[in-house]
Amino acid sequence: GENVEQHPSTLSVQEGDSAVIKCTYSDSASNYFPWYKQELGKRPQLIIDIRSNVGEKKDQRIAVTLNKTAKHFSLHITETQPEDSAVYFCAASIGDYKLSFGAGTTVTVRA
Amino acid sequence: KAGVTQTPRYLIKTRGQQVTLSCSPISGHRSVSWYQQTPGQGLQFLFEYFSETQRNKGNFPGRFSGRQFSNSRSEMNVSTLELGDSALYLCASASPRDRVTGELFFGEGSRLTVL
Repeated sequence: GENVEQHPSTLSVQEGDSAVIKCTYSDSASNYFPWYKQELGKRPQLIIDIRSNVGEKKDQRIAVTLNKTAKHFSLHITETQPEDSAVYFCAASIGDYKLSFGAGTTVTVRA
Repeated sequence: KAGVTQTPRYLIKTRGQQVTLSCSPISGHRSVSWYQQTPGQGLQFLFEYFSETQRNKGNFPGRFSGRQFSNSRSEMNVSTLELGDSALYLCASASPRDRVTGELFFGEGSRLTVL
């Protein structure tokens, strides 16, 4: 089955700096790569996703890049703010609603 | 529109007991998935139901089972509970179009503690 590895497990950044989280996947048939944000004590929520026919996608301060050849994808958050502090999960799917999630990255934005 | 509702929110059981968790999806959503969340392990896929049929199953033992009703509500059951079953169980609903994976809408979860 699909295996998704996520790094780093924790990330501390100064407010205003950028944060980058990287994930690798094993199944070359995977074609959908979402990112979920989970604030403390709350439910995970989708923040951005990308499909395999696209190499990059941006939504305001958040961007995701995908390298199908290397089987890795990354989340970039620019101009970080305190409200960006949360756990971020990457995931991969072959398109059948069975998502394989990474172990998560705890992001702390220092004021 | 009401979100995904899970009940109960918290429960404590002892080893060997069984538990049933319930999930009501967003109105109109016919896909319901279940995930187990534990510290350091992320979210582990349990199973996914669509129109009362289990379409996908994760790598969990047969003690974990589920079902979906005609109104799309879903239940999952864990029998013969073990200490390692302590976790947050998340339900997510989706409105798939042509089986293309899209956004999952998660509930707040049911936190199970096994003593």
